[in-house]
Amino acid sequence: AQSVAQPEDQVNVAEGNPLTVKCTYSVSGNPYLFWYVQYPNRGLQFLLKYITGDNLVKGSYGFEAEFNKSQTSFHLKKPSALVSDSALYFCAVRDGTLTFGKGTMLLVSP
Amino acid sequence: DVKVTQSSRYLVKRTGEKVFLECVQDMDHENMFWYRQDPGLGLRLIYFSYDVKMKEKGDIPEGYSVSREKKERFSLILESASTNQTSMYLCASSLGPNQPQHFGDGTRLSIL
Repeated sequence: AQSVAQPEDQVNVAEGNPLTVKCTYSVSGNPYLFWYVQYPNRGLQFLLKYITGDNLVKGSYGFEAEFNKSQTSFHLKKPSALVSDSALYFCAVRDGTLTFGKGTMLLVSP
Repeated sequence: DVKVTQSSRYLVKRTGEKVFLECVQDMDHENMFWYRQDPGLGLRLIYFSYDVKMKEKGDIPEGYSVSREKKERFSLILESASTNQTSMYLCASSLGPNQPQHFGDGTRLSIL
């Protein structure tokens, strides 16, 4: 069965600094990988996905993610964090249905 | 723009009641999903549907059932509510299996 691990419950970063939110996965076959963001009292919003092709995937709000097959990772990145990026981030892998990680809270301080 | 609407943002019910959570999407999506979200556990799939009148069990279907009589509407039913079903419930829809899922804003359900 597929699984997703987000090793950090929380990531703290200062505004203007680069950010990384980590995700590793386990799946049989080719991975279909997704990142979602959840703001307080809202549902999840899609950020980006990797199906095939370039290992660097660009998404919404300036976010990107790097797919690394050998390390089975799909880390979310942004070159310069904003306070408004503070939210809960979920990584997900599809193998039939979507399996979500437990989420990482990103806190960007002014 | 894509819209998934859940009928209630907050709901309080009593143990043993039959509870209905409604979800409507306006995008003509084939696929619809129900998740529950609990702190530290992420999202867990309860039921999903790839077509009208079709339903499949997810990872945690016990104590729940679903109904999909029309393409745009997917209902989650708690047959006899229990306190351990207190949670945030999220509905989602997608155009296809590899397409992004679009989520409603959730229903925070409390069972007393």
